[in-house]
Amino acid sequence: GEDVEQSLFLSVREGDSSVINCTYTDSSSTYLYWYKQEPGAGLQLLTYIFSNMDMKQDQRLTVLLNKKDKHLSLRIADTQTGDSAIYFCAESNTDKLIFGTGTRLQVFP
Amino acid sequence: NAGVTQTPKFRILKIGQSMTLQCTQDMNHNYMYWYRQDPGMGLKLIYYSVGAGITDKGEVPNGYNVSRSTTEDFPLRLELAAPSQTSVYFCASSPRLAGGLAEQYFGPGTRLTVT
Repeated sequence: GEDVEQSLFLSVREGDSSVINCTYTDSSSTYLYWYKQEPGAGLQLLTYIFSNMDMKQDQRLTVLLNKKDKHLSLRIADTQTGDSAIYFCAESNTDKLIFGTGTRLQVFP
Repeated sequence: NAGVTQTPKFRILKIGQSMTLQCTQDMNHNYMYWYRQDPGMGLKLIYYSVGAGITDKGEVPNGYNVSRSTTEDFPLRLELAAPSQTSVYFCASSPRLAGGLAEQYFGPGTRLTVT
């Protein structure tokens, strides 16, 4: 079945890089997504990658896609306290998105 | 544009009561979704709709009903509330085209407690 897995927690020092990992199962996903959820709020799209790409950079964010291993990662450079949130990866499946369990990123000074 | 709006923000229900969670979007999106998020967990899809008059079950539809009479509105109905339905409920919409980018826009959520 479809399953998107992520580690639950990540703690980093302010200014360091954060890497959040995700494994997915549906190799036919056209796009893969990263969403951010701040406390008490809904999810917001952070970035996405088309399935025929292996890397996408957007300012402090770098998305890496390894299709062979069905592995997606999100790197946040120079992590700030404002980056503290839950990060969800998602794969597309016909009419729906399948979300991972979310990784809670905690940034400490 | 207001985007996706949800009402109420908070609600406490007694076991066996019923209620409707409202969701409205003003972006003319065809696709709309209802999710629940339990504490410390990811999102589970309850129901979704690909257009007015069309609805389909998601992963956890039991205990819920939906309707989609207009493009803008996608209410979620709980008929006999149970403690297991205590959760945060999110509505989302998407302009999704088949095979295309499927960005979903989320509402702020409704926090429901059933006691």
